[in-house]
This record gives sequence, C-alpha cells and structure tokens, in this order.
Amino acid sequence: GQQVMQIPQYQHVQEGEDFTTYCNSSTTLSNIQWYKQRPGGHPVFLIQLVKSGEVKKQKRLTFQFGEAKKNSSLHITATQTTDVGTYFCAGPPDDKIIFGKGTRLHILP
Amino acid sequence: EAGVAQSPRYKIIEKRQSVAFWCNPISGHATLYWYQQILGQGPKLLIQFQNNGVVDDSQLPKDRFSAERLKGVDSTLKIQPAKLEDSAVYLCASSPRGANSPLHFGNGTRLTVT
Repeated sequence: GQQVMQIPQYQHVQEGEDFTTYCNSSTTLSNIQWYKQRPGGHPVFLIQLVKSGEVKKQKRLTFQFGEAKKNSSLHITATQTTDVGTYFCAGPPDDKIIFGKGTRLHILP
Repeated sequence: EAGVAQSPRYKIIEKRQSVAFWCNPISGHATLYWYQQILGQGPKLLIQFQNNGVVDDSQLPKDRFSAERLKGVDSTLKIQPAKLEDSAVYLCASSPRGANSPLHFGNGTRLTVT
C-alpha cells in the first residue's frame, strides 16, 4: 500500500545544534504537508509544499520538496527548547492524506 | 474562527463495551477526517468524508467501527464492541478542500480500554 516513511524516528540534539528530518513516499505526491505535535497535544499544520524542488523558509525552519515529488526534508537551524515535539510529514498520493510515523525531537539543555 | 471541537476529551471503558465520539468541524470545511493515533505512532486515517459522503474507509475496522456525518457537518465515530488494542487518541480533522489543503485538528479523545 501507499507509505510515507520518516527518518530518524528519534533525534536528541544539544540546544543550539541543527536538526533535520527526512520524509520519503512510495508514490508521487501532489503536495507534502508538515505538522508539529507537542507532547500531549494535537498535530498543528506548519507548511505545505506543492511544486517540484520547492524550498520554503519559516524563520529557523527550512522545508524542501524533492524534484520527483516523492521526498521532502525539514531542517531546523540552531534548535531551541520550544522546538521540542514530533514532526510529521503527510502527503496525499490521491485524495487521502497519509502521515509518516514522525521524528521525535528532544532538546538537551 | 472557531476550531475543530471534539468530545469527550477522555473516556475509559471496559473491553466489549461501546463508545461514541463526536466532532464538529470548522464551519464551511467540506472534508472531515477521523484518525487513530496510538502512543508513539503517526495518525492513521480511519475514514474520510467529503460533505456527507465517504471518500475512503479502507482502514476502518468495519466489524466494530462505524462513522457517520449527517447533513455534512457534525460527525460521530462509534466502536462496538471495544478491544484492548483500540486504546488510542482519536483525532478529528477538517479541511476546506480535501487533500490539497491543510488539516485542522481537534484536541482529540483519549480512549483507554481496560
């Protein structure tokens, strides 16, 4: 079946270090969405990428969509304690949105 | 704008009992989703509605789960009878234009089956 895979599953970084999570789909996606879920909370939409090779920035966060529209990445520069949470990519291979298993980010003070 | 409303926030039941969850999406959002999120995993799509029609329910365990969206607005998800492995957070989400627009999630219902 259609799958969206994320690596790594967990990441521990020192505060101030950079962080990257990668997302791969088994099928071409019409768009890729990224969500953040704080501990005990619900997923909150961060950004949507639509075009092949698209790059978008939100302050310290940089999102990329691959040329083949089957992979994506989220990079956080100089992590802060507020970045703690699980980051999910989600994509619609067709009319439904499939979530990856997420990357859980832990920040060490 | 008001967000997606879900109730109850928490529910504890014994196995083989029944339970129902309610969701009120953002006004005007045509697409409504129910996801199941087991601790430490990503949300798993159970069912997707477009207005009051079902778009996808391929991962809904239909022998015990049912969902409806009457009049294309509110939705209910029911489990009957519940099993231990149904313990999870049930998230409702809505979007204005299906899979090409962002999902807005409710706070979820945390179900514990004992």
